[in-house]
Amino acid sequence: DGGITQSPKYLFRKEGQNVTLSCEQNLNHDAMYWYRQDPGQGLRLIYYSQIVNDFQKGDIAEGYSVSREKKESFPLTVTSAQKNPTAFYLCASSVAGTDEQYFGPGTRLTVT
Amino acid sequence: QKEVEQDPGPLSVPEGAIVSLNCTYSNSAFQYFMWYRQYSRKGPELLMYTYSSGNKEDGRFTAQVDKSSKYISLFIRDSQPSDSATYLCAMRAGGYNKLIFGAGTRLAVHP
Repeated sequence: DGGITQSPKYLFRKEGQNVTLSCEQNLNHDAMYWYRQDPGQGLRLIYYSQIVNDFQKGDIAEGYSVSREKKESFPLTVTSAQKNPTAFYLCASSVAGTDEQYFGPGTRLTVT
Repeated sequence: QKEVEQDPGPLSVPEGAIVSLNCTYSNSAFQYFMWYRQYSRKGPELLMYTYSSGNKEDGRFTAQVDKSSKYISLFIRDSQPSDSATYLCAMRAGGYNKLIFGAGTRLAVHP
């Protein structure tokens, strides 16, 4: 059963703590993406990766970090430097160079 | 001004109605246009994909692009309660460029 999994579905953290969101895909896609979604705003790109061991900043990369050590995995770390981390985080993947992005179910992060 | 503007709604219609969802954009370089559907607490899924101006039909859904007016639309005929979701437009310029998403319009179709 091919697809993208994100875990956990809900995550709660205290301010000042780093937290890592998991994203795994078995679609054999080269490209992977991280977005955050806030009420009243479109999806905003945090980081993207077109190939293993390479990634680029998106529009709102400050306070976030990623790694791409395996084709299947693209974890996102929300650091304590991110000023407003509470949001819905979506991971996506696609065949490189195409527009159809397949999204995971998302992780809702709440930081208090 | 945002590159892509989309009325957030909510839009509430009776079952069977024709629904019109719209986005306007400011970047004339956009060439590829998409509509994603997102059910509550789920990730978006691609619904329609169009290139350049014109219409594209897929079942009850029609995507329309008017590049001269920088305006795209998604029409849903014979709307069903299962169409209740948030609809996000997305677009990008030629070459490799990231997708730019609208804020999404929340649609509720009531029986």
